Amino acid sequence: DAMVIQNPRYQVTQFGKPVTLSCSQTLNHNVMYWYQQKSSQAPKLLFHYYDKDFNNEADTPDNFQSRRPNTSFCFLDIRSPGLGDAAMYLCATSGPRTGSSNQPQHFGDGTRLSIL
Amino acid sequence: ILNVEQSPQSLHVQEGDSTNFTCSFPSSNFYALHWYRWETAKSPEALFVMTLNGDEKKKGRISATLNTKEGYSYLYIKGSQPEDSATYLCALQQSGNQFYFGTGTSLTVIP
Repeated sequence: DAMVIQNPRYQVTQFGKPVTLSCSQTLNHNVMYWYQQKSSQAPKLLFHYYDKDFNNEADTPDNFQSRRPNTSFCFLDIRSPGLGDAAMYLCATSGPRTGSSNQPQHFGDGTRLSIL
Repeated sequence: ILNVEQSPQSLHVQEGDSTNFTCSFPSSNFYALHWYRWETAKSPEALFVMTLNGDEKKKGRISATLNTKEGYSYLYIKGSQPEDSATYLCALQQSGNQFYFGTGTSLTVIP
């Protein structure tokens, strides 16, 4: 089945040690999103790619970077994780390549990041 | 900061009861309103995408309405079942691909 896959499901890293979370999709969707969700809070959009065009939300910390080497893969890099970055990170995709932009998002299961 | 508010925060209902909850959002720059169901240990699943004022959509026992002028959407579940237990998220989509989620309503259906 076509899907959005996030690896790993759980990630533990040390304070200040760079970490990369990955997302892949078999849906051939042109938009990919990264969200951060902290406990009891709403998922917060960090950035999204429309094809290769990167769109950063204004309040996304500089510590967070993203790469999309091809249609199928998107990575979230946290350069120097702090204790406040512990959260669930959700990847989502939307849109067939030629579709309209009010398509639903398809989510992965998320990666829960812990910082020691 | 754009506020999308959902109420109630949590809800417990008996199996067979019908229930509803609310998503409120600013009506300016409206593009679409999305509803998702998020079961524990699974990924959020899309329920509805609503775009037109007065829209009403239905999927089995679940339906939703939209009022873009006053900035709210209701989600209704008729005859709740234990498998409906989940967190229900709404998300406002403004023009393009900007999404603003609410904190969700956590529904527990008691057998």
